[in-house]
Amino acid sequence: NAGVTQTPKFQVLKTGQSMTLQCAQDMNHNSMYWYRQDPGMGLRLIYYSASEGTTDKGEVPNGYNVSRLNKREFSLRLESAAPSQTSVYFCASSEDHYSYEQYFGPGTRLTVT
Amino acid sequence: SQQGEEDPQALSIQEGENATMNCSYKTSINNLQWYRQNSGRGLVHLILIRSNEREKHSGRLRVTLDTSKKSSSLLITASRAADTASYFCATDRYILTGGGNKLTFGTGTQLKVEL
Repeated sequence: NAGVTQTPKFQVLKTGQSMTLQCAQDMNHNSMYWYRQDPGMGLRLIYYSASEGTTDKGEVPNGYNVSRLNKREFSLRLESAAPSQTSVYFCASSEDHYSYEQYFGPGTRLTVT
Repeated sequence: SQQGEEDPQALSIQEGENATMNCSYKTSINNLQWYRQNSGRGLVHLILIRSNEREKHSGRLRVTLDTSKKSSSLLITASRAADTASYFCATDRYILTGGGNKLTFGTGTQLKVEL
């Protein structure tokens, strides 16, 4: 099993450009999450999907949209990138909303110039 | 604001020594988890302690939880160079609307274990 995979690993965007970060898990998990990690800030939840067909805002959703494409895939879209979105983005999944352990992908390092 | 705050921010020890990291949080929790992050990698779950537990062990890891003080500690005994990583505590609360399990992470402790 690959666990949680993310693409791309690195990306550089210019201000105003758009892009989609992809995430997939092969553990048959119901819940999926997107976090961003900034120096000295820990991880902050952007959006989550408790189960297929549902998505909800987390702590820092502004400037992002998500799509739970199916049970395996959960994408994060930046419609108009801003320098403040320069960060490392992590996708995670958990078995269901009663399961506390989350499994993380390797991350996408995004730079917006 | 961050729910969890780790202390110290950075810790450097010699191989074989014990490493202790502390985490404080602000609101009531269901459970508290510790994660490890190696440089440039994703987070890996280490251990979970429930709010009604006071101490838990897993291999060389020992976690304590004091809900009256809203604090937890992670002890790594007989540290190894491979333990060099950042360690994060994460507190868990049920999401009242929408369902799911929401983790709130602290800012982390960077541990360096030197040979």
